[in-house]
Amino acid sequence: GQQLNQSPQSMFIQEGEDVSMNCTSSSIFNTWLWYKQDPGEGPVLLIALYKAGELTSNGRLTAQFGITRKDSFLNISASIPSDVGIYFCAGLPGDKVIFGPGTSLSVIP
Amino acid sequence: DGGITQSPKYLFRKEGQNVTLSCEQNLNHDAMYWYRQDPGQGLRLIYYSQIVNDFQKGDIAEGYSVSREKKESFPLTVTSAQKNPTAFYLCASSTTGRQTQYFGPGTRLLVL
Repeated sequence: GQQLNQSPQSMFIQEGEDVSMNCTSSSIFNTWLWYKQDPGEGPVLLIALYKAGELTSNGRLTAQFGITRKDSFLNISASIPSDVGIYFCAGLPGDKVIFGPGTSLSVIP
Repeated sequence: DGGITQSPKYLFRKEGQNVTLSCEQNLNHDAMYWYRQDPGQGLRLIYYSQIVNDFQKGDIAEGYSVSREKKESFPLTVTSAQKNPTAFYLCASSTTGRQTQYFGPGTRLLVL
């Protein structure tokens, strides 16, 4: 079946650093979604992307829908301790959502 | 406030017992979903429903059952046939058009 790959799997960064992570697929997607999950909580939607090439920001977060429609990128600028969590990408090739395995982010104060 | 609620936050099940997890939404969404999340893992789809009185199996439906009698509610029953039920269960909902899913806070199920 269709799968999403997320990289890196985990990352440890210093507070104040910028973060980049990406999500790739072998198939074309019509929608890309980025979620953040805190421990013991449900994922919270950060950014939704609906058109190839679209670049959307939400505060310090910026996400892009890749031109090839097979990838998406999430950047976090000037990281802070509360950015800690697992970041999931999700894509819709059609009417079914597919979730990536997640990128675990740790921020060192 | 509009949102998705799940209850209880923690649930304990004895061996051989059925338990039901609650999921309610007041977002007026047509579609609702149940996912299972194991430690360090992604989300796996158990069941989903696009409309009242209709639902479909996801990737790991064995040992689970659902009902969708009301638009707002999509309870999940973990039956005794589910041999490894300990996990974090997440409910989500979406409009049928955009499919952007919004999640509840989750229920952690533990087997005694």
